[in-house]
Amino acid sequence: GENVEQHPSTLSVQEGDSAVIKCTYSDSASNYFPWYKQELGKRPQLIIDIRSNVGEKKDQRIAVTLNKTAKHFSLHITETQPEDSAVYFCAASRSESADGLTFGKGTHLIIQP
Amino acid sequence: AAGVIQSPRHLIKEKRETATLKCYPIPRHDTVYWYQQGPGQDPQFLISFYEKMQSDKGSIPDRFSAQQFSDYHSELNMSSLELGDSALYFCASSLDDQRVEAFFGQGTRLTVV
Repeated sequence: GENVEQHPSTLSVQEGDSAVIKCTYSDSASNYFPWYKQELGKRPQLIIDIRSNVGEKKDQRIAVTLNKTAKHFSLHITETQPEDSAVYFCAASRSESADGLTFGKGTHLIIQP
Repeated sequence: AAGVIQSPRHLIKEKRETATLKCYPIPRHDTVYWYQQGPGQDPQFLISFYEKMQSDKGSIPDRFSAQQFSDYHSELNMSSLELGDSALYFCASSLDDQRVEAFFGQGTRLTVV
């Protein structure tokens, strides 16, 4: 089955700086890669996703890159703000939807004022 | 906008009891997914349904069963509960024909004592 590795487990950055979270996956058939933000005690919320026919996608301060050859994808957050503090999960799926998502272990992002 | 509704939000059961969790997807969404998230853990995929048929199966124990009804709501039935079943159970829904992203409900927090 799919195995998703996520690094780092904790990331502390100064407000205004950029944050990068990286994930690798094992199943070359995976073709859907969403990123979820989860605040303490709340549900995971989709913040951005990318499909295998695209190498990069951007939405305001958030961008995701995908390297299918190397089987890794990354989340980039620029100009970080205190409200960006949360746990971020990457995930991968074989289907082009959320069927059977395999999640990474999560990254606790801390924005220092 | 309407979101995924889960009930109950909190549930306390004793060992060996049974529990039923309900999920009402976003209107017009035909696909439902169930995830289990232990404390400090990543969400683990349990099972999914598309048009009332099981579409994928993950790490769902044999003691658990689920189904999707004609109105697309889904129920997760859990029997012979164990202490280790204590977790947040999330339901997510999507409209697969249009490859719409999966949106998570608020979750049901199950505590087995």
